[in-house]
Amino acid sequence: SQQGEEDPQALSIQEGENATMNCSYKTSINNLQWYRQNSGRGLVHLILIRSNEREKHSGRLRVTLDTSKKSSSLLITASRAADTASYFCATDRRWGNTPLVFGKGTRLSVIA
Amino acid sequence: DTEVTQTPKHLVMGMTNKKSLKCEQHMGHRAMYWYKQKAKKPPELMFVYSYEKLSINESVPSRFSPECPNSSLLNLHLHALQPEDSALYLCASSQRVKQLDTQYFGPGTRLTVL
Repeated sequence: SQQGEEDPQALSIQEGENATMNCSYKTSINNLQWYRQNSGRGLVHLILIRSNEREKHSGRLRVTLDTSKKSSSLLITASRAADTASYFCATDRRWGNTPLVFGKGTRLSVIA
Repeated sequence: DTEVTQTPKHLVMGMTNKKSLKCEQHMGHRAMYWYKQKAKKPPELMFVYSYEKLSINESVPSRFSPECPNSSLLNLHLHALQPEDSALYLCASSQRVKQLDTQYFGPGTRLTVL
């Protein structure tokens, strides 16, 4: 299966701390995306990193990609209570026009 | 307008009912998707429409019937559902079904089958 595997499955931190989530996948990809989902709501796109990129920043988000290890990490710095959500990585397949496949997700709780 | 809208927000139906979920986007996107999501699980792809044609059906039971009347609208017709079909149904759209396209999601319809 192409499905990404995030770890940890659940993460609880204090407000102001950094949160790191990891994603591993199995086959070659063109890009990897991270999405956020607030409880019972739709997913919101956070950031896309291409297979030829190693690191990308967006505000308090930092994403890394290691294609040799088939893994990515999402770092949220200076976390806020509003960051409480589930975070999913999503990958495509390197060949062919296929839609995204979502990983199992990390549930992040930021305690004020 | 970067919004995908879904109606209704909540739906309760019996196993003999026929109902429809609706999804709409006005971003000019030519790919639209239906996902099913159970609690604490990732979204599971059900159907993909590309240029109003069904391009992917992920072996979804025939009691779910998708329809794309035009490039802005996507429906999911429901008939003779089972209690295990209770879930959050998410609609999404993207410019095309291509690797670098971001998907925009609606807020979902919370479906309960009694």
